[in-house]
Amino acid sequence: DGGITQSPKYLFRKEGQNVTLSCEQNLNHDAMYWYRQDPGQGLRLIYYSQIVNDFQKGDIAEGYSVSREKKESFPLTVTSAQKNPTAFYLCASREPGEESYTFGSGTRLTVV
Amino acid sequence: QKEVEQNSGPLSVPEGAIASLNCTYSDRGSQSFFWYRQYSGKSPELIMSIYSNGDKEDGRFTAQLNKASQYVSLLIRDSQPSDSATYLCAVDWAGGTGTASKLTFGTGTRLQVTL
Repeated sequence: DGGITQSPKYLFRKEGQNVTLSCEQNLNHDAMYWYRQDPGQGLRLIYYSQIVNDFQKGDIAEGYSVSREKKESFPLTVTSAQKNPTAFYLCASREPGEESYTFGSGTRLTVV
Repeated sequence: QKEVEQNSGPLSVPEGAIASLNCTYSDRGSQSFFWYRQYSGKSPELIMSIYSNGDKEDGRFTAQLNKASQYVSLLIRDSQPSDSATYLCAVDWAGGTGTASKLTFGTGTRLQVTL
């Protein structure tokens, strides 16, 4: 079955550490997105990518970095510069002409 | 900054009643509008999409769009306890040549359907 796989489901990070969240899709979609969701809040866009080797900052990119070396993969690194990284992170993909996004199941990141 | 506004709720309705969820958006250039349902700890799932003014019905769900008022709503008829979730309004603005369209989400309205 086609879909988006995010891993791990739960992730714990110590203060000052960088962590990388994985997002893999086998839908052959060109566009991929990373969103962050805080408790009781909507989704806020971190980064997005239209095609391989190209990506743009979203509304809250500070403290995050991404890469898009393969069409299937769009990993997100939460750096130590992100002061409040505890949140639910959602990856999504979309093909032009499709109605809306396909979401992964999310990664819950907690700073300990 | 494109904004999407929703009442956070909770909106409490009895089983079998109609739930009415509302959303306003700031950008007149917005072209596509979506309602997502999100259960606690899960990823959002698409409920309805609407692109032109008027009503669009799908089963117990009706989406309504009024671009002049920059307003979109979702009606849920015969509400069931399983409808209890957070409903996210999302607006898509395809910015221009070479610009990827991307969804802007509201903060969501929490719906509680009581027995």
